[in-house]
Amino acid sequence: AQSVSQHNHHVILSEAASLELGCNYSYGGTVNLFWYVQYPGQHLQLLLKYFSGDPLVKGIKGFEAEFIKSKFSFNLRKPSVQWSDTAEYFCAVMSAGTASKLTFGTGTRLQVTL
Amino acid sequence: DVKVTQSSRYLVKRTGEKVFLECVQDMDHENMFWYRQDPGLGLRLIYFSYDVKMKEKGDIPEGYSVSREKKERFSLILESASTNQTSMYLCASSSADLETQYFGPGTRLLVL
Repeated sequence: AQSVSQHNHHVILSEAASLELGCNYSYGGTVNLFWYVQYPGQHLQLLLKYFSGDPLVKGIKGFEAEFIKSKFSFNLRKPSVQWSDTAEYFCAVMSAGTASKLTFGTGTRLQVTL
Repeated sequence: DVKVTQSSRYLVKRTGEKVFLECVQDMDHENMFWYRQDPGLGLRLIYFSYDVKMKEKGDIPEGYSVSREKKERFSLILESASTNQTSMYLCASSSADLETQYFGPGTRLLVL
C-alpha cells in the first residue's frame, strides 16, 4: 500500500524567508502527486500537481514543487513567504491503478510571522 | 468553478444516534469521496464512489456506510455514532479523466 510522509509537522517562518516542505512517498510504480493547502477557516484547495513531463511544476501563489523520482520525493518550495501563506499544507499521492484514490500525508502547519 | 457543498458546517449528536452527512457537487463528476480529517493524522479515506449506486471501501470504513442514489449526491451515514467518530468530515469530487479532487467546506461533527 502506498504511504506519504511529511516530516515537518509545524514550521514557523518570518515573512520573506524561503520555504521548503518535505514530502516522501512509498510506491514503486507510476504516481501522480499533489499539494493541497487549507487556509484557516477555508476548504482544502489544490496548490499544484504533477502527472508527467517537467518534474518542476509551478502552482498558484508562487509555489513550486520538484518531483525527484530517485528519492521518491515531491518537496514544496517558495522563495519568499508571506503572512497570507499561513495555512496547513498536505502532500498527496495517487498511484496508477488506484482509480483516483488519494493518499494524504499528515500535513504541515505553516505559521508565517510578520 | 466547481462547487462541492456539504449540508452542515457543524453538527452535534449523541452516542448511538444515526447521523447523515450530505454532499452535493454541481460539476457532473463521476467520482465522489468521503474523508475524515484529524489533527496529526491528515486526511483518511472512508468511502468512495465511481458512479451512481456504486461504492468502494476506503482505508477506514468501519462504522460508516454510504449511499449514492444520484450522480450529484453522496451521503455518509454513521449507523450508530460513537465518540471516536468526532472529527471533521470532508467530501470531494473529481471527474474520471482530470483526477484533481475538489473539496467541500467540511462538516465538523461532535459526538457526545
